[in-house]
Amino acid sequence: KQEVTQIPAALSVPEGENLVLNCSFTDSAIYNLQWFRQDPGKGLTSLLLIQSSQREQTSGRLNASLDKSSGRSTLYIAASQPGDSATYLCAADSAGNKLTFGGGTRVLVKP
Amino acid sequence: ETGVTQTPRHLVMGMTNKKSLKCEQHLGHNAMYWYKQSAKKPLELMFVYSLEERVENNSVPSRFSPECPNSSHLFLHLHTLQPEDSALYLCASSPGVGAYEQYFGPGTRLTVT
Repeated sequence: KQEVTQIPAALSVPEGENLVLNCSFTDSAIYNLQWFRQDPGKGLTSLLLIQSSQREQTSGRLNASLDKSSGRSTLYIAASQPGDSATYLCAADSAGNKLTFGGGTRVLVKP
Repeated sequence: ETGVTQTPRHLVMGMTNKKSLKCEQHLGHNAMYWYKQSAKKPLELMFVYSLEERVENNSVPSRFSPECPNSSHLFLHLHTLQPEDSALYLCASSPGVGAYEQYFGPGTRLTVT
C-alpha cells in the first residue's frame, strides 16, 4: 500500500527566500507524481505533474524533481512571495487513477 | 462556467437528513472523482467514475451513494451521516482514467450536527 509523507508539516520563511518542500513515497512503482496548492478552505490547484519517466518539471518559479529509486520528490519555489503562502500537497499515482496524498506542508511567507 | 464547479459550497445537515452534493465539469473530461478531506488527515479518494461507470469504490460506507448520470455531472447522495463525516468534499475530473492530471473543484464544506 502506497504511503506518502511530507515533512515538515509547516514552514515559515521571509519573503525572497527560496522554498524547498519534501515529499517521500514508499512504493516506487508510480505512474506520476503531482504537486498541488491549496488555499484555506478551498479546492486544489494543480502546480506540476512529473511522469515516472521524467526527472523534473519546471513552471515559472516552480521546479519539481523526482527520484523514484529513493522514493522522493522535491518542490522548489524560487524567490518566495507572500502570495505563495498556502498548503502544498504532493500525490503519488500508483494505479493510473488513484492518487495517494501526503498530509501537506503549510507554508507562510512573511513580508 | 469554466473548470470544475461544486454546489453547494457549504452544507449543514442533521444525522437524519438526506442531501446531495453536485459536481459539474466543463472540461470535456471522461473521468470524475470524489475525495474527502478531514481535519488533520490526508485527502482520501472515495469514488472514481469513467464514462459514467464506477471503476473504484475505496471502501466507502453505504451512507454515501454516488451517481454519475453523464460524463459532465457527478453527485454524492448523503443519508444518515455521522458527525465524523464532517469534512471538505472535493470533486475532480481528468481526461480519462489513467495517469492524467486531475483538476479539482472548490469543494463542499459539510457539517453534520
